Amino acid sequence: GDSVTQMEGPVTLSEEAFLTINCTYTATGYPSLFWYVQYPGEGLQLLLKATKADDKGSNKGFEATYRKETTSFHLEKGSVQVSDSAVYFCALNAYNQGGKLIFGQGTELSVKP
Amino acid sequence: KAGVTQTPRYLIKTRGQQVTLSCSPISGHRSVSWYQQTPGQGLQFLFEYFSETQRNKGNFPGRFSGRQFSNSRSEMNVSTLELGDSALYLCASNDGQGSYGYTFGSGTRLTVV
Repeated sequence: GDSVTQMEGPVTLSEEAFLTINCTYTATGYPSLFWYVQYPGEGLQLLLKATKADDKGSNKGFEATYRKETTSFHLEKGSVQVSDSAVYFCALNAYNQGGKLIFGQGTELSVKP
Repeated sequence: KAGVTQTPRYLIKTRGQQVTLSCSPISGHRSVSWYQQTPGQGLQFLFEYFSETQRNKGNFPGRFSGRQFSNSRSEMNVSTLELGDSALYLCASNDGQGSYGYTFGSGTRLTVV
């Protein structure tokens, strides 16, 4: 079945460091791909998305490119801030699955000043 | 534009009881999905309603049910509560096009004692 695999956390970085969180997926057809972020005590916020191969989603300095050849959607940011500390989830919405999102296990990011 | 509203924010129930959670989607959104989030299992899809009809269902026992009203508000019901039902329950709304991403509410934290 469809699935999403994320790199395990927690990830601890110093402020202004480069961030990469790996995400790979398994799905039939051409799913849409998403990154969501969850701050403590809150729900999920959509960070960015891509709906077809080679699309690049970007928001708030974060970027991810839909790579069909490697079935990947890695999240990157050039310079992280303390305020980026949160849990990040990669997710897919498979074609013909309506509103069903399949999530990775989440990666906790902690940024130290 | 108001976001997705979930009520109540916190609930404490006793084993064997039943509970009803409510979700009001963004105005104009006709799709509402429900997810269970636990430390052990992560984010798991429960079901999705679109225009008052269940469009998709996850792998949860029949104790978990839902419905959607004509104004798109949705309720989720869990009967005969078990300790393992303790979780954060999140709902998300969308205009019906899954590829555009879903907007999540802040969730209902259910504790079963």
